[in-house]
Amino acid sequence: QQQVKQSPQSLIVQKGGISIINCAYENTAFDYFPWYQQFPGKGPALLIAIRPDVSEKKEGRFTISFNKSAKQFSLHIMDSQPGDSATYFCAPWRGRGSTLGRLYFGRGTQLTVWP
Amino acid sequence: AAGVIQSPRHLIKEKRETATLKCYPIPRHDTVYWYQQGPGQDPQFLISFYEKMQSDKGSIPDRFSAQQFSDYHSELNMSSLELGDSALYFCASSLFGAGNTIYFGEGSWLTVV
Repeated sequence: QQQVKQSPQSLIVQKGGISIINCAYENTAFDYFPWYQQFPGKGPALLIAIRPDVSEKKEGRFTISFNKSAKQFSLHIMDSQPGDSATYFCAPWRGRGSTLGRLYFGRGTQLTVWP
Repeated sequence: AAGVIQSPRHLIKEKRETATLKCYPIPRHDTVYWYQQGPGQDPQFLISFYEKMQSDKGSIPDRFSAQQFSDYHSELNMSSLELGDSALYFCASSLFGAGNTIYFGEGSWLTVV
């Protein structure tokens, strides 16, 4: 079953705008909450990640907000650029147990930033 | 910096044939993961290996098998190929342990005709 629900499925943002992608999860055993960026025909690349003991993490134009009680985390892309046009996946995973390291991907969000 | 290397990048096979994909992890990484991504789909976890032993198994068909060798490279063997096996297959690697980043390769495109 889909343990991770990501929204929206697609997003169109004007250059310079803010892109917001949300992820809701069921499994409270997740320890790490990354966002991956994928360009067509390429492998997913880690964009930014957060641990559950932190509510927000910022790296450049990218920010993760984490709400443990709501079991949600989101990606904010400030000053969105055409080069940010890609598919974004949330992919939380457990840091212990037999499924350590298995990424549970959301369905993905196709972001288009137009000039 | 060295990345995860996958080969071949593209291959075309006929139904019922066999295909083998190879993955060379980042140097010193001891854990390898395989994912399958259908067109427009999210990656689905197939199987993982740690120190040459299978560590986790996901939705991998019985027709598929994989192993990790002494040099840590891994191979995914797919037999009796079906049209539905057409997908992008990713290998990823990491150092075993909580919080270590998982790096993906560029993927291998398999087309079954």
